[in-house]
Amino acid sequence: EPEVTQTPSHQVTQMGQEVILRCVPISNHLYFYWYRQILGQKVEFLVSFYNNEISEKSEIFDDQFSVERPDGSNFTLKIRSTKLEDSAMYFCASSPRTGSYEQYFGPGTRLTVT
Amino acid sequence: LAKTTQPISMDSYEGQEVNITCSHNNIATNDYITWYQQFPSQGPRFIIQGYKTKVTNEVASLFIPADRKSSTLSLPRVSLSDTAVYYCLVGDNQKVTFGTGTKLQVIP
Repeated sequence: EPEVTQTPSHQVTQMGQEVILRCVPISNHLYFYWYRQILGQKVEFLVSFYNNEISEKSEIFDDQFSVERPDGSNFTLKIRSTKLEDSAMYFCASSPRTGSYEQYFGPGTRLTVT
Repeated sequence: LAKTTQPISMDSYEGQEVNITCSHNNIATNDYITWYQQFPSQGPRFIIQGYKTKVTNEVASLFIPADRKSSTLSLPRVSLSDTAVYYCLVGDNQKVTFGTGTKLQVIP
């Protein structure tokens, strides 16, 4: 069964450093998403991406964040200058169709900012 | 975006059927009802989606009455491994909003 993969599983970085989180969505999916979940809190939507463009983004997704699909398989989330409050699990998801809440999530990357 | 209300937590014994109800009084015509499951430190997992009446797959059933103002996720014969948080989501756009969900604890 195809699945979304994410690397690394755990990333530790110092405040102010740039991090890039990587995702490989399911191969025939066209819609891609990033979410985050701070420990003990809700899953929060960050951004959706389709046809090499951001479709929607939340208030959390400020200028420190960017997304890219550098090739036909990878989907990345970059945080330019990490803050302590960026520590969270980051989940990538993909969907075969737009407007659908049928999304398939990856296992997540645990980001720890020290 | 339709707001959903579901119980914060539920307990069930192994082997029992569990029904988790979600109310969504202001559901819009185009909205689908979707349920996810999440284990600790894992990504949410899509369980089932429906628009009206009943939908069944190998994992669960989803019952939606005619007015669509509520829905019930039914898990047949739960096991300890079904202990998780279950989220009810209502909408049809790309900006998925997760609530706090229902924490299901299955007891031996």
